[in-house]
Amino acid sequence: RKEVEQDPGPFNVPEGATVAFNCTYSNSASQSFFWYRQDCRKEPKLLMSVYSSGNEDGRFTAQLNRASQYISLLIRDSKLSDSATYLCVVPRYNQGGKLIFGQGTELSVKP
Amino acid sequence: SQTIHQWPATLVQPVGSPLSLECTVEGTSNPNLYWYRQAAGRGLQLLFYSVGIGQISSEVPQNLSASRPQDRQFILSSKKLLLSDSGFYLCAWGEAAYGYTFGSGTRLTVV
Repeated sequence: RKEVEQDPGPFNVPEGATVAFNCTYSNSASQSFFWYRQDCRKEPKLLMSVYSSGNEDGRFTAQLNRASQYISLLIRDSKLSDSATYLCVVPRYNQGGKLIFGQGTELSVKP
Repeated sequence: SQTIHQWPATLVQPVGSPLSLECTVEGTSNPNLYWYRQAAGRGLQLLFYSVGIGQISSEVPQNLSASRPQDRQFILSSKKLLLSDSGFYLCAWGEAAYGYTFGSGTRLTVV
């Protein structure tokens, strides 16, 4: 099992749609989690941090289920500008605190 | 505020040539520094990380090396590039508990 696994995508949705991405992780000791956004040919940028059960920021909601070891990202009222690849990220605390990235889920929002 | 600089932005190098990519961080001291590589259409792979001057940990065996000659300087090198070294190289700094900040990356094409 990979340390971090995401929905393979791509997701093609119309503007205004609600879309959800799922991510599972294998290290039950992980304490913090992140969603990054990566635009084409650009560096990843931190979108949301999740430290407890969840986090909400405007149209974006991240939820954590520790028992099932998965994290989700919900985007409501999708905009064209939301088109990007979304990366699920989990720290590997027992080895110097390195961040391990999922493969990413591509989202394309169409007019 | 903290900033991270990475250069060059793009690089085309012949097989067998040497490589040197530089990354510097401003506005913080003793940062944890990381080199990641992203092959075309793939996820981010951690190559090296450093928790202090002269301290380098390697994640995967390869013909790349890293050095940290100064507190806020991280260098990625190769004596002889392979075609398989092509990719998007990203430097990052930060703490696993709070997420990383990435530089703008270097897109390397080995020909």
